[in-house]
Amino acid sequence: AQKVTQAQTEISVVEKEDVTLDCVYETRDTTYYLFWYKQPPSGELVFLIRRNSFDEQNEISGRYSWNFQKSTSSFNFTITASQVVDSAVYFCALSEASNSGYALNFGKGTSLLVTP
Amino acid sequence: NAGVMQNPRHLVRRRGQEARLRCSPMKGHSHVYWYRQLPEEGLKFMVYLQKENIIDESGMPKERFSAEFPKEGPSILRIQQVVRGDSAAYFCASSSVTSGEQYFGPGTRLTVT
Repeated sequence: AQKVTQAQTEISVVEKEDVTLDCVYETRDTTYYLFWYKQPPSGELVFLIRRNSFDEQNEISGRYSWNFQKSTSSFNFTITASQVVDSAVYFCALSEASNSGYALNFGKGTSLLVTP
Repeated sequence: NAGVMQNPRHLVRRRGQEARLRCSPMKGHSHVYWYRQLPEEGLKFMVYLQKENIIDESGMPKERFSAEFPKEGPSILRIQQVVRGDSAAYFCASSSVTSGEQYFGPGTRLTVT
């Protein structure tokens, strides 16, 4: 069963638009962690955020913000005033206590294209 | 503070050869994870190691693949008798604690011809 679902395969926006990337997860653990990673065209994986299951506070970092809602098992990511440099594939991931070593379970990713 | 290092960045092997991928974790990190990114399958966990111990290899193919993380030196992912289907990007990640942030290396892109 898919533990992390990123329903949006590809999104295309024009620069300065806001965009939200959806992430829905599935777990039976009470302790778990949620992550977002960015994979630009160069291919590396860039850590963006880690959130534990006991902290539902939303987080803002510059133009990035994250909305964690346990009631809907979602951890959505919003980019405000998007820029061309935001073009990348974004992965949501889940790590659980029941997964030895808290290995990451990734969604299939959302490819974001920001055009000028 | 150097990040996670992987080498080589690109590796080309002919079918039947061996591939050795190396990963040096961030300083102070003793937990290493290997993931594989296949074109149509996304990122998948392969193996989790601590120094001198394989903790979880549930994501490793049963044959031809092995991993180690010796007391000294980098972690090694070894693929014997490579086949075309092994062509992928292999990422290593490290963390300081079991449930901590995992920081990824730049990956090794393996091409089997």
